[in-house]
Amino acid sequence: SQTIHQWPATLVQPVGSPLSLECTVEGTSNPNLYWYRQAAGRGLQLLFYSVGIGQISSEVPQNLSASRPQDRQFILSSKKLLLSDSGFYLCAWVSVSGPSYEQYFGPGTRLTVT
Amino acid sequence: GQQLNQSPQSMFIQEGEDVSMNCTSSSIFNTWLWYKQDPGEGPVLLIALYKAGELTSNGRLTAQFGITRKDSFLNISASIPSDVGIYFCAGQINNQGGKLIFGQGTELSVKP
Repeated sequence: SQTIHQWPATLVQPVGSPLSLECTVEGTSNPNLYWYRQAAGRGLQLLFYSVGIGQISSEVPQNLSASRPQDRQFILSSKKLLLSDSGFYLCAWVSVSGPSYEQYFGPGTRLTVT
Repeated sequence: GQQLNQSPQSMFIQEGEDVSMNCTSSSIFNTWLWYKQDPGEGPVLLIALYKAGELTSNGRLTAQFGITRKDSFLNISASIPSDVGIYFCAGQINNQGGKLIFGQGTELSVKP
């Protein structure tokens, strides 16, 4: 069965510090991967998605970047965090081997920028 | 761009009552998905709908893919306290990397 992991679960970082959030998927190959941010318990904003290694599409201009160094690894980064980067970050994956595009989410990372 | 209007934004109901929420859009979608999110956790997929007019159940949950492909509803029958959470609809337009458009969520509170 497939599983998705996110690390760390919670993070408190000062303004101006760097960021690295990791997402890994097990039990599937060549998934589409997605990073979302959720502010204050409401709507999900798509930040980045990737259809393969090294292929990143950015949905909104922002202080963040994403990379996909391996097939099942997706990383969200920042060189200098802003207060507005606080939020709940969710990673999701989709298997593109079948007819459907059901997205499955990881447990999330709660980021607080102080 | 595409938008989903999800309503109601919040609901306060008594245990045992039935619940209905819906999503509408000006765009046509090929897939509708419904998720539930508990506090501090990632959304969990409840039901996926692939064909216009399709009616699908998952236990006490029933969802339908609108005939026009621009709307969907989710019903919960005989609500229980563990139904508390935020419910999201999501629509998908194929050939766009599997991207989803999410509604703003319906926050459900169930009073025992």
